[in-house]
Amino acid sequence: GAVVSQHPSRVICKSGTSVKIECRSLDFQATTMFWYRQFPKQSLMLMATSNEGSKATYEQGVEKDKFLINHASLTLSTLTVTSAHPEDSSFYICSAPGTGVNNEQFFGPGTRLTVL
Amino acid sequence: AQSVTQPDIHITVSEGASLELRCNYSYGATPYLFWYVQSPGQGLQLLLKYFSGDTLVQGIKGFEAEFKRSQSSFNLRKPSVHWSDAAEYFCAVGARGGATNKLIFGTGTLLAVQP
Repeated sequence: GAVVSQHPSRVICKSGTSVKIECRSLDFQATTMFWYRQFPKQSLMLMATSNEGSKATYEQGVEKDKFLINHASLTLSTLTVTSAHPEDSSFYICSAPGTGVNNEQFFGPGTRLTVL
Repeated sequence: AQSVTQPDIHITVSEGASLELRCNYSYGATPYLFWYVQSPGQGLQLLLKYFSGDTLVQGIKGFEAEFKRSQSSFNLRKPSVHWSDAAEYFCAVGARGGATNKLIFGTGTLLAVQP
């Protein structure tokens, strides 16, 4: 089956630093990937759609200059949280749709970001 | 606009008892419907999905769900719960024919299993 990986699984950083999270499709190509954010005991909120070779599409209320997305290849999308602050601490999950037409998506294991 | 409602935030059942988790959706047509399970600190695992055809869908781990168009519901069921089923369960809806394949998630139901 399709596998999506994320790296790192956990990261702790100081306030004001930037953190990069990678999302890879291991055995399939993904022209589109999705980035979600999940606060404790809450649902997944779609942040943005990452498009290979073009700009990401951000959901309303998500700061594109804060959350930089780069989809440089068909198997890799990166999310960079710039000038991170404690309120950015969250669980970030990426997903990639399979090759079928039925919206099935494959999720990465998530990245726990803690900003001190 | 699409939306998903999971009315039950937290449910506790005894091991061996039956389970039903509720999910209602709002969408202009028949959507794609999904149930995912998430263990603490983990990503999401697909339990089952409905695209078309038989409205009773079988999934992994003994779960099933029934699509009821008249009620805009897609409730998840399991006849006998195991302690390992304790987790958070998310219902999600996806648009048909959409190029972006976005999913909209419900707020989740946290399942606790008593011995």
